[in-house]
Amino acid sequence: AQSVAQPEDQVNVAEGNPLTVKCTYSVSGNPYLFWYVQYPNRGLQFLLKYITGDNLVKGSYGFEAEFNKSQTSFHLKKPSALVSDSALYFCAVRLLTGGGNKLTFGTGTQLKVEL
Amino acid sequence: AAGVIQSPRHLIKEKRETATLKCYPIPRHDTVYWYQQGPGQDPQFLISFYEKMQSDKGSIPDRFSAQQFSDYHSELNMSSLELGDSALYFCASAFGTGTTNEKLFFGSGTQLSVL
Repeated sequence: AQSVAQPEDQVNVAEGNPLTVKCTYSVSGNPYLFWYVQYPNRGLQFLLKYITGDNLVKGSYGFEAEFNKSQTSFHLKKPSALVSDSALYFCAVRLLTGGGNKLTFGTGTQLKVEL
Repeated sequence: AAGVIQSPRHLIKEKRETATLKCYPIPRHDTVYWYQQGPGQDPQFLISFYEKMQSDKGSIPDRFSAQQFSDYHSELNMSSLELGDSALYFCASAFGTGTTNEKLFFGSGTQLSVL
């Protein structure tokens, strides 16, 4: 089975501190990994992706993620959190099937950044 | 820039009624995905279309059907609605289905409430 796991339901961090949102994956073959963010009553917004190449991927709004093949992880990071980063974050893996490239999402991690 | 448009934004129905959700992809996008997100749940893939043909199928109930029209917009038809169908339904669009199709653009969703 191909899946992603987000072990933390919620992450709390103080503004200005670094943040990490964890994601581990389980796939057969090469993983295509993504991070999406969801604000209240809004659709999912693409943050960044890993397909091939450098293990450190930089994305929108100062976020980055590190692909670690040995640990099968793709943790989302940001050096300095902002209150406006508070949202629901989803890790996703792409399943390359015959007719499409549907995403399978993790269960989401609620990030709360406090002053 | 044009985004994915979903209508209606909110829909209230009673059990056993029918509902039709519409999705208008970004211009030139030829692929549409439908996702269902229950309260506090991760998005679950329902079905996808590429060039007006069904390209993949997920956990879509038999009571639901969908299609993509010649102008690439898509409609999700839901019959014999049940309380458990209450959810946020997302549509996402993309261009192509090969390895170059790496990023999905999501609409803001249709919130369906079944009473």
